[in-house]
Amino acid sequence: NAGVTQTPKFQVLKTGQSMTLQCAQDMNHEYMSWYRQDPGMGLRLIHYSVGAGITDQGEVPNGYNVSRSTTEDFPLRLLSAAPSQTSVYFCASSYSPHGDFNTGELFFGEGSRLTVL
Amino acid sequence: GQNIDQPTEMTATEGAIVQINCTYQTSGFNGLFWYQQHAGEAPTFLSYNVLDGLEEKGRFSSFLSRSKGYSYLLLKELQMKDSASYLCAVSDSNYQLIWGAGTKLIIKP
Repeated sequence: NAGVTQTPKFQVLKTGQSMTLQCAQDMNHEYMSWYRQDPGMGLRLIHYSVGAGITDQGEVPNGYNVSRSTTEDFPLRLLSAAPSQTSVYFCASSYSPHGDFNTGELFFGEGSRLTVL
Repeated sequence: GQNIDQPTEMTATEGAIVQINCTYQTSGFNGLFWYQQHAGEAPTFLSYNVLDGLEEKGRFSSFLSRSKGYSYLLLKELQMKDSASYLCAVSDSNYQLIWGAGTKLIIKP
């Protein structure tokens, strides 16, 4: 069981470039989300999806797009990278928006460290 | 606004006990979570409290008081591998998670 798989693990971009962070899960989870983690701050929700074909904005959606064409995949697109998007990005999934049925657990990918020059 | 407060950093000695506090102010409450995050790694789930009281799981325990907007994570018999950041998160009325900035725990021999 691979769990949540994110690629790439590291990426360096120049300002204005675009790229896609890939996220896939093999647990048949309906809920998937993208967070960014910056020093001294809590995880901040970028976008989330409660099922295939359904996406919604989180706390910090500007500059990012998502799509959910299948249950398994939830890619995050940076449209025109800016230095302020330098961060560590985590994809997370669960059975429901508030986590696993009983424990509330979110399952995280290993993270993608992005630097924008 | 919604807010989660936890200490930025704590230091403890191997074999000892440490308590990491978390206070919260959120619009609604649907549970409080603790996650552990080792440097350079993803957060991993530790505990979930939705009712008042203490939940014990091995060396780790988590306590919740909803009336006080307060929780703590208690780590016993500290080991060097417990050196990590501990993240407190609250599920609000819309089941969205509000995260604290995390407490970096340093364990000294």
